Amino acid sequence: DVKVTQSSRYLVKRTGEKVFLECVQDMDHENMFWYRQDPGLGLRLIYFSYDVKMKEKGDIPEGYSVSREKKERFSLILESASTNQTSMYLCASSPQVTGEKLLFGSGTQLSVL
Amino acid sequence: GENVEQHPSTLSVQEGDSAVIKCTYSDSASNYFPWYKQELGKGPQLIIDIRSNVGEKKDQRIAVTLNKTAKHFSLHITETQPEDSAVYFCAASKNAGGTSYGKLTFGQGTILTVHP
Repeated sequence: DVKVTQSSRYLVKRTGEKVFLECVQDMDHENMFWYRQDPGLGLRLIYFSYDVKMKEKGDIPEGYSVSREKKERFSLILESASTNQTSMYLCASSPQVTGEKLLFGSGTQLSVL
Repeated sequence: GENVEQHPSTLSVQEGDSAVIKCTYSDSASNYFPWYKQELGKGPQLIIDIRSNVGEKKDQRIAVTLNKTAKHFSLHITETQPEDSAVYFCAASKNAGGTSYGKLTFGQGTILTVHP
């Protein structure tokens, strides 16, 4: 059963901490995405990657960075966590660079205290 | 950039009734419109999508219609069942079928509750 796996379902961190959110897909997809989900705002794209070591900013990249050292793994990094980064984070992958047919992970609910 | 507005934010229906969720988009160049269903504790799952060269698409109890002139598209669920209860998201993007890097812009989401 193909899937996108996010390492943590719930995460609690302190303001100022460096936070790593990990995502792994087993479908050999070239394209991977990080979204943030907030009530009333839908899903907003933070970063995406269309190849190993390649990355592109999405709509809300400020305060985030990403790493894609291997094809199957795409990490989201919060350099210095802040309370306004408390959110649900969703990783997705797609076989198409256009972002169609996204397959999402179950999400990581991050709380920054 | 693209802006997608989704209505209503909540929708409550009785089992067996139909449910309709509507979205409008701003960028006339958008050509791909998917719908995602998110159940509690899970990530969104693609349930149906449509390209701009098609006006309507059906898959069993769900259908999507697209009006390019008015720049709006809708999800129709017939004979609703309690397991249809979830959050539904519409989205829009351009470059579908092409080779350019694309990204989806999502609507705000609709919480659908189907009462037995």
